[in-house]
Amino acid sequence: AQSVTQLDSQVPVFEEAPVELRCNYSSSVSVYLFWYVQYPNQGLQLLLKYLSGSTLVESINGFEAEFNKSQTSFHLRKPSVHISDTAEYFCAVTGYGGSQGNLIFGKGTKLSVKP
Amino acid sequence: DTEVTQTPKHLVMGMTNKKSLKCEQHMGHRAMYWYKQKAKKPPELMFVYSYEKLSINESVPSRFSPECPNSSLLNLHLHALQPEDSALYLCASSQDERQGRSHTNYGYTFGSGTRLTVV
Repeated sequence: AQSVTQLDSQVPVFEEAPVELRCNYSSSVSVYLFWYVQYPNQGLQLLLKYLSGSTLVESINGFEAEFNKSQTSFHLRKPSVHISDTAEYFCAVTGYGGSQGNLIFGKGTKLSVKP
Repeated sequence: DTEVTQTPKHLVMGMTNKKSLKCEQHMGHRAMYWYKQKAKKPPELMFVYSYEKLSINESVPSRFSPECPNSSLLNLHLHALQPEDSALYLCASSQDERQGRSHTNYGYTFGSGTRLTVV
């Protein structure tokens, strides 16, 4: 079975500052990792994912995450945030193989960007 | 088409009503899911369909009844709901690769959800 821990429930930050949202996982099998973003009153949008290959993955809007197998982490970073990045961010994991590789979510981190 | 479409976007229903939520995808995904999300919480898995068969029911009350008419459609029939069932209901789909008893799911795509209010 897999589990996900998002260490920060809320992260307030000023506009144009850098931000890191932390995510750690546990799994007995190899994993696929995801970050989803949820804007107020909307569904989930895939921000980026790690399936295989390069451990550094990037999104089209400037976010990046690095898969670190030894530390079982998949932290999300952005060097300069905008007001429009204010949203809830969910880290998620699914196991490779096993009886059913379903998506397991962390509890979420609310990113609040202040002017 | 890389989307999961959910209808309706909003639904208000009384506790004696019967209604249905609909979900559609045309990405060829063979796994489809219903999630329930309460405010300020992560999505909680309700049901999983794999190759049009119900494979997981996470102890969901029988007032929620899923249906998968074909590989592109997923319904959630609602009957005699309670006010605490008010939530955002999310549908998702994914690639589901099978090797024997093993599944690997990837390419999860979520719909924008149905905001359900039970009065």
